[in-house]
Amino acid sequence: DQQVKQNSPSLSVQEGRISILNCDYTNSMFDYFLWYKKYPAEGPTFLISISSIKDKNEDGRFTVFLNKSAKHLSLHIVPSQPGDSAVYFCAAIRSGSARQLTFGSGTQLTVLP
Amino acid sequence: GAGVSQSPSNKVTEKGKDVELRCDPISGHTALYWYRQSLGQGLEFLIYFQGNSAPDKSGLPSDRFSAERTGGSVSTLTIQRTQQEDSAVYLCASSRGGEYQPQHFGDGTRLSIL
Repeated sequence: DQQVKQNSPSLSVQEGRISILNCDYTNSMFDYFLWYKKYPAEGPTFLISISSIKDKNEDGRFTVFLNKSAKHLSLHIVPSQPGDSAVYFCAAIRSGSARQLTFGSGTQLTVLP
Repeated sequence: GAGVSQSPSNKVTEKGKDVELRCDPISGHTALYWYRQSLGQGLEFLIYFQGNSAPDKSGLPSDRFSAERTGGSVSTLTIQRTQQEDSAVYLCASSRGGEYQPQHFGDGTRLSIL
């Protein structure tokens, strides 16, 4: 039973345009959400996070939106750059747990020059 | 370096052998996690250490897997009598601990069981 779902395995975007990566979750006990970027043969790199008491968090070109009622979050990258091409993982942490991450299956973003 | 360091980066061994994987967390990080990613699978939680508390071992897939963390810093993950299904990338992460702290990952150990 996948508690964190990324339904799009891949996404292609033109350089300079907006990239929107989506993530859905089923467990209402999740209270902290994170996005990671992963290049081949490297570990995931933390990008941005949001706690469940907020609906938006922005850091430079990256913005994460959280819609708790829909159990949906998204990552916006504006403007997209070729160096952003990587696999993006959505992850969630459940309140009261060991704070381990539950990951989605990832979305391969390709930014075309 | 400033990041999480894992060794070895690659390990190839025969079925039935024991293996030991090492993780050096970021200095000052009290929380340490082990995950693994099998081929075609997502990242799967294995075990969690927080300070001097007893570890949360709820993600370990069998009793062939064990981990320890000495002195609240370096951690080793041991897999005894390895099986082919143990082949995966084993990732270590550390964080400052606390409710809303992001975990920072090492580059992993790619384990191949022949």
